[in-house]
Amino acid sequence: AQSVSQHNHHVILSEAASLELGCNYSYGGTVNLFWYVQYPGQHLQLLLKYFSGDPLVKGIKGFEAEFIKSKFSFNLRKPSVQWSDTAEYFCAVNSPLSGSARQLTFGSGTQLTVLP
Amino acid sequence: DAGVTQSPTHLIKTRGQHVTLRCSPISGHKSVSWYQQVLGQGPQFIFQYYEKEERGRGNFPDRFSARQFPNYSSELNVNALLLGDSALYLCASSQGQGSYNEQFFGPGTRLTVL
Repeated sequence: AQSVSQHNHHVILSEAASLELGCNYSYGGTVNLFWYVQYPGQHLQLLLKYFSGDPLVKGIKGFEAEFIKSKFSFNLRKPSVQWSDTAEYFCAVNSPLSGSARQLTFGSGTQLTVLP
Repeated sequence: DAGVTQSPTHLIKTRGQHVTLRCSPISGHKSVSWYQQVLGQGPQFIFQYYEKEERGRGNFPDRFSARQFPNYSSELNVNALLLGDSALYLCASSQGQGSYNEQFFGPGTRLTVL
């Protein structure tokens, strides 16, 4: 079965620090990869996605992620975090169901706390 | 444009009861998926419906069922509630069901089973 691993459960950083959140997945076929963010009291929002092409993907709010196929990884990065980045971050993989249907498999999430 | 809407926002039930959760997708979206998010974990896939047909089911017992209506809205039903069913239930909609269809999530229904 498909699985997604997020290495850090809780990350605490000071403003302006650099961020890297790890994500590894198990599916060996063609994958679509996503990072979602859940701000306090808000619903899940898409940060960025990878379908094909350039493995370095840029998303909203200055976030980017790099797909490394050989390592089954899709790590999220941001050069300089802000207090407003405090949220829970989920990595997800889109894998086959039946026919052309796909399901999202999520990691367990990383809670990021940015100290002012 | 309205996003994905879910009702009710919160729900408290007791063990053994039945619950129905509702979801309205973004206008034009024909696919609805349901996820369960237990506190401290990522969302876990329950069902996907596309064009009113079930297209996939996650590893959940038969107490969980769903359906999609002609207007593409959807209901998730859970019978014989257990304490472990307490969770945030998320609905997501997408235009289609294939690889390149981004899923948009609703705010969720918080279910508490006492």
